[in-house]
Amino acid sequence: EAGVVQSPRYKIIEKKQPVAFWCNPISGHNTLYWYLQNLGQGPELLIRYENEEAVDDSQLPKDRFSAERLKGVDSTLKIQPAELGDSAVYLCASSLGTGGDEKLFFGSGTQLSVL
Amino acid sequence: GENVGLHLPTLSVQEGDNSIINCAYSNSASDYFIWYKQESGKGPQFIIDIRSNMDKRQGQRVTVLLNKTVKHLSLQIAATQPGDSAVYFCAQGSNYKLTFGKGTLLTVNP
Repeated sequence: EAGVVQSPRYKIIEKKQPVAFWCNPISGHNTLYWYLQNLGQGPELLIRYENEEAVDDSQLPKDRFSAERLKGVDSTLKIQPAELGDSAVYLCASSLGTGGDEKLFFGSGTQLSVL
Repeated sequence: GENVGLHLPTLSVQEGDNSIINCAYSNSASDYFIWYKQESGKGPQFIIDIRSNMDKRQGQRVTVLLNKTVKHLSLQIAATQPGDSAVYFCAQGSNYKLTFGKGTLLTVNP
């Protein structure tokens, strides 16, 4: 069974440019998460989806970040415009249930470098 | 807010020794705790989890201990191998999400 798939693995852009990350969760997993991981730090939640509904986006910087999960399966996270401080690893994760009391399965992440 | 942290940012052990990685948490309302291993360039990988109605749980070469009185979590790795070298994160679950600590870098010397 395939795990959580993310693309691209690496992305280098200049500041003020837009960038998008894609995630395909494990088949059958209703809950999808986007986490941000800075170097040497633990992952921090950006947004959580239950099916197609964003049920927790309180940590998402909505002035420049957006996300969608239109059909309740794969998801896209976008940054426009990117800033130098956005350089980090963006991790996608999924879980079978609604989360908080079960393990999450993570993808390999997209490493973003903003120059 | 919730805060999950680690006592030691780095840990270096000899191959074959046992490793102990510690974690403190602040949210006493959490009833689910989990350890992840993250190798360079990869996403976090599940190791073991424990619920608050338990104080110990064992897996293959790993044991998690939970002390709710002092809000402390630990991961014990028996007979540490070079392949165990990675960053280890503890996380606590509440409000439908996991909150992660900062991580401990474990280095296994041959």
